[in-house]
Amino acid sequence: DAGVTQSPTHLIKTRGQHVTLRCSPISGHKSVSWYQQVLGQGPQFIFQYYEKEERGRGNFPDRFSARQFPNYSSELNVNALLLGDSALYLCASRGAETQYFGPGTRLLVL
Amino acid sequence: GQQVMQIPQYQHVQEGEDFTTYCNSSTTLSNIQWYKQRPGGHPVFLIQLVKSGEVKKQKRLTFQFGEAKKNSSLHITATQTTDVGTYFCAGRLGGGSQGNLIFGKGTKLSVKP
Repeated sequence: DAGVTQSPTHLIKTRGQHVTLRCSPISGHKSVSWYQQVLGQGPQFIFQYYEKEERGRGNFPDRFSARQFPNYSSELNVNALLLGDSALYLCASRGAETQYFGPGTRLLVL
Repeated sequence: GQQVMQIPQYQHVQEGEDFTTYCNSSTTLSNIQWYKQRPGGHPVFLIQLVKSGEVKKQKRLTFQFGEAKKNSSLHITATQTTDVGTYFCAGRLGGGSQGNLIFGKGTKLSVKP
């Protein structure tokens, strides 16, 4: 079985631009969460979606938005990028007890 | 806001020595999870603790959840070079299994052969 997949793996953007990150959960998993991990820090919770509905939101500005599709894949959108948005963006797919992280998208904002 | 504090930030050990990382929350947790992240990699789930005072073992790794469900520890016996990485605790606040996960800053373990 495939694990959690994310695309793209790396991305370079400039300030003010918009970015869309994509995630496909493990087959059968209906819950997807997004995290931001800045270098040297632990992952910070951004959003959780379950059955296409938002179930949780972390302390991030409205520039961050997400959605989940009928096939349970998900997109994270970030508008008006700032230098401080440079980070590893992780998607996690959740089973009964275990949360499985994807390889992440490394975003660099110049 | 709610925080999960983790210490130490770094730990350098000689291969064969033991290692412990500690996690403390300002509020009661519904459960706590532990992850390992290798350099350049993504966090990999190790274990989840739910019950007050729970102790779980995985080979050389021992995980504990405090009686008050506010602290936890991970102990590795006789470290090996394959144990290198950053260990994160992540506490789930309220809502049973549905609350948000709050990660600590991690303990970076290096092992000298």
